[in-house]
Amino acid sequence: AQSVTQLGSHVSVSEGALVLLRCNYSSSVPPYLFWYVQYPNQGLQLLLKYTTGATLVKGINGFEAEFKKSETSFHLTKPSAHMSDAAEYFCAVSDRDDKIIFGKGTRLHILP
Amino acid sequence: GAVVSQHPSRVICKSGTSVKIECRSLDFQATTMFWYRQFPKKSLMLMATSNEGSKATYEQGVEKDKFLINHASLTLSTLTVTSAHPEDSSFYICSASLTVPYNEQFFGPGTRLTVL
Repeated sequence: AQSVTQLGSHVSVSEGALVLLRCNYSSSVPPYLFWYVQYPNQGLQLLLKYTTGATLVKGINGFEAEFKKSETSFHLTKPSAHMSDAAEYFCAVSDRDDKIIFGKGTRLHILP
Repeated sequence: GAVVSQHPSRVICKSGTSVKIECRSLDFQATTMFWYRQFPKKSLMLMATSNEGSKATYEQGVEKDKFLINHASLTLSTLTVTSAHPEDSSFYICSASLTVPYNEQFFGPGTRLTVL
């Protein structure tokens, strides 16, 4: 069975500092991996996804994530945090059928 | 990119009434749509998978008679919360699946249901 673990339900970083949100997954087959962002009272917006090919994936808003099979990780990073990055971030995995399994989410706080 | 809409965005209803939420894929046809429920400060819980022209597949623990799903066309799925109670209050999110070139789900903006 697939699962996703996001380390840290809350992460705080200073504006301009590096953002690192951790995600580990388990899957019996090569997975599709996703990061979504959710702003209050809104749906989910896809930040980036890994399907095949290059393991470093670049997404919107300056975010990127690297698929590391040996570590079963797909951590999300951004070199310099902006106040507008404050939101809930969800890591998700799919084993290529239609279902997506979400992690519990990480609330990102940006400190001025 | 593919756009999914939900209507209404917010609904407040009295206990015992039924509420229908619509999910539409605006610029693509989706053979599969998904319904999620999100509790406050929690992750998304998949409730059911809706396939056009067939019965929905419910996840374990989700009452199919309570949460009626109809997927009448390739662009519309509806979720009806029957005889709603305060514990049904939640944020409901739908998604529509685009299978080519690879599976990807596009999410609607969500519906906030409050049952008084």
